[in-house]
Parts: sequence; structure tokens; C-alpha cells
Amino acid sequence: GAVVSQHPSRVICKSGTSVKIECRSLDFQATTMFWYRQFPKQSLMLMATSNEGSKATYEQGVEKDKFLINHASLTLSTLTVTSAHPEDSSFYICSAREPLTEAFFGQGTRLTVV
Amino acid sequence: AQSVTQLDSQVPVFEEAPVELRCNYSSSVSVYLFWYVQYPNQGLQLLLKYLSGSTLVKGINGFEAEFNKSQTSFHLRKPSVHISDTAEYFCAVSDYGGATNKLIFGTGTLLAVQP
Repeated sequence: GAVVSQHPSRVICKSGTSVKIECRSLDFQATTMFWYRQFPKQSLMLMATSNEGSKATYEQGVEKDKFLINHASLTLSTLTVTSAHPEDSSFYICSAREPLTEAFFGQGTRLTVV
Repeated sequence: AQSVTQLDSQVPVFEEAPVELRCNYSSSVSVYLFWYVQYPNQGLQLLLKYLSGSTLVKGINGFEAEFNKSQTSFHLRKPSVHISDTAEYFCAVSDYGGATNKLIFGTGTLLAVQP
């Protein structure tokens, strides 16, 4: 199957700083990528849909200014957690999907804000 | 809008025993259905998918699932589990040909295989 690479796999940052997470589709072009957040022992919650060359579509309750998404090319989407706080600590997962096929997921990023 | 229900949060089972993980969905349109597996601190790996055609779908690692439109179910089965099957399993639904193609996940079922 297709490969989606997510980086970094783990990051620890100080409260108030910003963290950028990258999601790359390595062997296919993804016009759409998705960002999920997963709390311990819970399901994946869709945060936003990232569209190449246009603004991301955020799910209800997700702060646009806090979670900045940029989809600058067909193979790269980034999620920036701005002014991170301990409550932003979570497991973030990206996925990329071609129409009418399954989604391919990155390995996830464990964010810890101290 | 679609939704997915996984009634069992945890399923304990002995090694080499059969297992069924339940998934029910709700949708007003035709859907695609998926099962994903997640190992600790990792992303999701596709086990199998139903897009169309045969309602019995075979996936990787000996898993299979049956799409039942009348019961709006897509239960996952394996005839004989191994210790290595211990993981979190997520059922997901996507609308057929939808513009966003986004997946809606169930709450997950932890399959705990005991020796």
C-alpha cells in the first residue's frame, strides 16, 4: 500500500511554544489529507481536512488559530500547534486518501507539553 | 451524516479461540466500510475494506468481515487468534463518493488475547 510518513514521532515542548508536525505522502499525490487527534484509550477524532492549495476545513469545536494547517503541495501537509499548553498533549495522526480508496495513515506524533 | 458504533470496548479471548468484533453503522447514503488495527503508539493499518461486490471481505492476518446491509453491520471475525493480534481495532465508515472522503471512526475495541 501507499506510504504516509509523519514526523516527528515524538516531541516534547515547553508550554507557550509552537510545534510543527509534518505529514508526507511518499509515493502518491494526495489532494486531501486529514488530521486526527487521539486521547489515551479513545478513538480518533477528526480535527480538520487539509486541501492542497486552499484553506483547511475544521471540524466543529476545533480552534483554527490554535491548530494551523498548511497543505502547500500534493505531498505535504503540516499541522502547527501554536502556543501549546499541557491540555494539547495528545497523539496526533495524519492520513491521506485518494478518492474511492482506503486512507493511509502516518505513524502518529506523540506531543507532550510540559 | 454517518456514525459508527462499536459496542464492545474490550474483548478478552484465549489464544487459538475464534473472535468476533462487532460494528454497526448508521448512514442515509451508501457507504464504504473499513476495519483498521492500531498497535501501541503507532498509526493505523488497514485490515480490510468493503467498497462494493461480495459482502464477505477477506483481509490481512486471517481476518474477515461481512457486510450486512439490512442489519447495518460490518462485524470482524477471525477463526483462531494469536497473541500478536492483541491491539486496538477500529471500524470506520465513509460516504460513497463523498466530496471530503473523510472517515468516521468508532470508539475502538481492544482485543486482548490471553495465553
